[in-house]
Amino acid sequence: ETGVTQTPRHLVMGMTNKKSLKCEQHLGHNAMYWYKQSAKKPLELMFVYSLEERVENNSVPSRFSPECPNSSHLFLHLHTLQPEDSALYLCASSQDGTNEKLFFGSGTQLSVL
Amino acid sequence: AQTVTQSQPEMSVQEAETVTLSCTYDTSESDYYLFWYKQPPSRQMILVIRQEAYKQQNATENRFSVNFQKAAKSFSLKISDSQLGDAAMYFCAYRSPGPSGGGADGLTFGKGTHLIIQP
Repeated sequence: ETGVTQTPRHLVMGMTNKKSLKCEQHLGHNAMYWYKQSAKKPLELMFVYSLEERVENNSVPSRFSPECPNSSHLFLHLHTLQPEDSALYLCASSQDGTNEKLFFGSGTQLSVL
Repeated sequence: AQTVTQSQPEMSVQEAETVTLSCTYDTSESDYYLFWYKQPPSRQMILVIRQEAYKQQNATENRFSVNFQKAAKSFSLKISDSQLGDAAMYFCAYRSPGPSGGGADGLTFGKGTHLIIQP
């Protein structure tokens, strides 16, 4: 049990599909993150939620839509994606205000056809 | 904006030997945090070691230690007595303290170094 669980583990979708990635943390943390990991590139921070409010949005295209209904759950809604959006999407959590480390899930490997 | 550079795309070391992974960063801040994360084939990022910039003493965690050179903005990771289970991607990361001294800031990562352990 890693403490941060992501589903699905793999996802293949067409460019016209709508799908959602789910992240759940069981650590009692109050901050959650979405990262994108593409081949040959550094991990890119996409969204940050603290106390269920979005505090950062790094110029991510609107075809990615995050949702944080409570401090334990984080979603990433996907629609009309492009092939270049194919990547590993990692969720992480931390305890805001303590500078403690981020705990990561195992990611969702997304392929857009 | 902060940047993190890992100049070694791949490193190879013999089992039981010592290897050093390099990392440099660029920042104008005086207070920050540095991390090394390991990503095995399972894909989950696992924290290896953490260093607080205001601490001069290098962090150590069992076989893992860092050489933190603040003036040079260098943060290398040394793995002693390398084991087969150490094979993974290693990422260096930087984190600002945030406006509240601990805000929900994400990490800035380098591109990673692929570490191969030769049996």
